[in-house]
Order: sequence, then C-alpha cells, then structure tokens
Amino acid sequence: DIQMTQSPSTLSASVGDRVTITCRASQSISSWLAWYQQKPGKAPKLLIYQASSLESGVPSRFSGSGSGAEFTLTISSLQPDDFATYFCQQYNSYPWTFGQGTKVEIK
Amino acid sequence: EVQLLESGGGLVQPGESLILSCAASGFTFNNYAMTWVRQAPGKGLEWVSGISASAYNIYYVDSVTGRFTISRDNSKNTLYLQMNSLRVEDTAVYYCAKNSRGEASAFDIWGQGTMVTVSS
Repeated sequence: DIQMTQSPSTLSASVGDRVTITCRASQSISSWLAWYQQKPGKAPKLLIYQASSLESGVPSRFSGSGSGAEFTLTISSLQPDDFATYFCQQYNSYPWTFGQGTKVEIK
Repeated sequence: EVQLLESGGGLVQPGESLILSCAASGFTFNNYAMTWVRQAPGKGLEWVSGISASAYNIYYVDSVTGRFTISRDNSKNTLYLQMNSLRVEDTAVYYCAKNSRGEASAFDIWGQGTMVTVSS
C-alpha cells in the first residue's frame, strides 16, 4: 500500500498568513492526488484534485502543486473559515490512502 | 441539488451485521463510480471500498475484504455496504462519496455520514 505522510500534523497560524502543508507519498503517484478540508462534525470537502486543479467553487487562495511523490497545499492568505483539518489522498493505486491530516489552528 | 444521504448506522455487538444505504439525488447516479470512506472517532480518513458505475469493478481495503460487500442499485439511485462479522475496530462514521469522474478520481460529493458503533 502507498503511505501518505503529511507535515506538520498541527499548524498554528494567524488570519492573513500564508500557510503551506506538505504531503509525501511512499512511492510515485504521478499527479493523482487530492486535498480535502474537514471541519469538526462535518464531511470532508474536496479542494484540489489531480494535484493542482482547483475544484469548482473553492476560493482561489487555495492552490496545490507537486508531482511524483511530493506535494503541497498552499493557502495564500488564511481566512477565519479556513481553520480546519486538511487531508491529502492518493488515487494512483488501490487501496486509495489518505494522509493522517494537518490541523490548522488559530495562533 | 446534488446530495448523498446515508442511513443504517447504529449500535451492534461484535460479530453482528449491518447494512448501510446511501441515497443519491441531483445527478445521474449510474454515470459515476461510488465510494465508502470511514473515520474512527478522533482519527483520520480511511477508504473502505469502491464500485464502478456499472458495478463491474469492485475494490476493498484488506481489513474488510471477505466481511464487507459493496453494491449499488442504479434503478433506485442507491449505494449499499453490507457489513458482516463486525469488529470493535470497525467503529466509525461511514461516509459515502461520489467519484468526480471515473473510478480513479477524487471524491467531489460526500454524504453527512452515519455512525456505526461495534461494542459488547
């Protein structure tokens, strides 16, 4: 199985900060990577697919980059609504696997 | 409005069975692969099973293979997860999700989740 490792596990930031989350795969997954946002008690929400494509309706402050085995999710200017947990997920080979999550907290 | 609505969760004892349902609306259900993802309390997300649009291709994570069965009824726009021989470690919120394109694609629509608790 492909292991997905996110860093950091927790991130403290302020409104307006630029935030970057990293996701590393245990082997190359080409660009078959998605990013999701999850708030407490809610279902995940798709932000980015195919490593860098922004899902319809998602604010442009979110962006994704990378290919192969290393990927990043960047929030260009953190907004109050962005405090949440973020997960990466590979869909290159079964079983699809998720990173352990990065919680973005208020500093 | 595109919507997925899960049902069927509950409290069961180890070894018992449960069937989860996911009713889809607002999109052409038989055009899309579908997925089950679970989340244990306070933990991360785990992909459980996926099924192609026609139900021809089916996949499971190893930990549920032989115990869980995914299926779909395209005439009823409904996805199912039959869970047998449940274990304490199957306790989780179970989400159904729509694949955005083919089987190998991100999950663009999620249900609200249904809680499954396995405990004696």
